[in-house]
Amino acid sequence: GENVEQHPSTLSVQEGDSAVIKCTYSDSASNYFPWYKQELGKRPQLIIDIRSNVGEKKDQRIAVTLNKTAKHFSLHITETQPEDSAVYFCAASILTGGGNKLTFGTGTQLKVEL
Amino acid sequence: NAGVTQTPKFQVLKTGQSMTLQCAQDMNHNSMYWYRQDPGMGLRLIYYSASEGTTDKGEVPNGYNVSRLNKREFSLRLESAAPSQTSVYFCASSDRGHSMNTEAFFGQGTRLTVV
Repeated sequence: GENVEQHPSTLSVQEGDSAVIKCTYSDSASNYFPWYKQELGKRPQLIIDIRSNVGEKKDQRIAVTLNKTAKHFSLHITETQPEDSAVYFCAASILTGGGNKLTFGTGTQLKVEL
Repeated sequence: NAGVTQTPKFQVLKTGQSMTLQCAQDMNHNSMYWYRQDPGMGLRLIYYSASEGTTDKGEVPNGYNVSRLNKREFSLRLESAAPSQTSVYFCASSDRGHSMNTEAFFGQGTRLTVV
């Protein structure tokens, strides 16, 4: 089955700096790669996703890049703010008529310091 | 529009007790999922239901059973709870994989402790 590895496990940046989180996946058939943000005690919430037919996607301060050949994808957060502090999870799935079974990475604890 | 609703939010069980976690979604999604979240391990899929009337095992199904009661509801049952099942459980739902919007929406979670 799919295996998703995520690095780093913790990341501390100064407010205003950029943060980059990287993930690799093992199944070349995976075609959907979402990123979830989870605040302490809350549910995971989607912040951005990308499909395998796209190499990059941006949404304001957040961007995701995908390299299908190398089987890795990354989350980029620019101009970080204290409210960006949370745990971020990458995930991968093979979209089928049967739904969207996600395999998650182990998470990155991002801390944005003032 | 409540999204995905789970009950209960917290539960303490003794080893060997049984319980059912309830999940309901009001987004008319076809697919529903149960994940568990443990420290340092991300979220792992326990069982899923691609559509009403079907259920399949995920990565960590041992010790659990599920029921897709109807399109809205998907329950997770622990028949004989063990301390290793202490975890935070999340239910999620999504539309079919071939649809335009495949976002998986999560419930608020159930924090289960087995003593």
